[in-house]
Amino acid sequence: AQRVTQPEKLLSVFKGAPVELKCNYSYSGSPELFWYVQYSRQRLQLLLRHISRESIKGFTADLNKGETSFHLKKPFAQEEDSAMYYCALRTGGTSYGKLTFGQGTILTVHP
Amino acid sequence: GAVVSQHPSRVICKSGTSVKIECRSLDFQATTMFWYRQFPKQSLMLMATSNEGSKATYEQGVEKDKFLINHASLTLSTLTVTSAHPEDSSFYICSARPLAGVRDEQFFGPGTRLTVL
Repeated sequence: AQRVTQPEKLLSVFKGAPVELKCNYSYSGSPELFWYVQYSRQRLQLLLRHISRESIKGFTADLNKGETSFHLKKPFAQEEDSAMYYCALRTGGTSYGKLTFGQGTILTVHP
Repeated sequence: GAVVSQHPSRVICKSGTSVKIECRSLDFQATTMFWYRQFPKQSLMLMATSNEGSKATYEQGVEKDKFLINHASLTLSTLTVTSAHPEDSSFYICSARPLAGVRDEQFFGPGTRLTVL
């Protein structure tokens, strides 16, 4: 069965500092990985997906199949980045579209 | 675009009663809707996958007779918590995958806070 692990429940950094939110996964098939963000009192929304290889709000994430990781990084954190971040794995086949979420990391960026 | 709404946003009920939660895709048609449960400061746990016009697929450990899901149209799915008990108190979130467009995008509703007394 697939599994997503976010080892850090809480992460605090100061504004302007680099930030890395860790995500590791286990899945026997070809993984599709996502990062979702949930700002205070807002709904969950997609931040980025590994297929797109895009940078959103300064965040990037590279899929490392050797290390089975999909860490989220930003070189200079901003206060508005404070939120809950979820790493998610999408499965295919008969369970197409199902997302398995990690436990989430609460990021706090201090001024 | 791609807005998903949930109603009600918050509900309090007595133990033993049933509660219905609606999930609507407001500006798109959704072939598939997903229902999640989220405990405070914890992850989202997928409960079931709902496909329009067919029976929902439940995840292991989720009681289908307790959590009734109906996906009657391409824009509406409902979750009914039957004979609710205090342990059913939780935050229920739905998401919808559009019929057309980006294949791997899911759009999430704002969630429904259920409190069972």
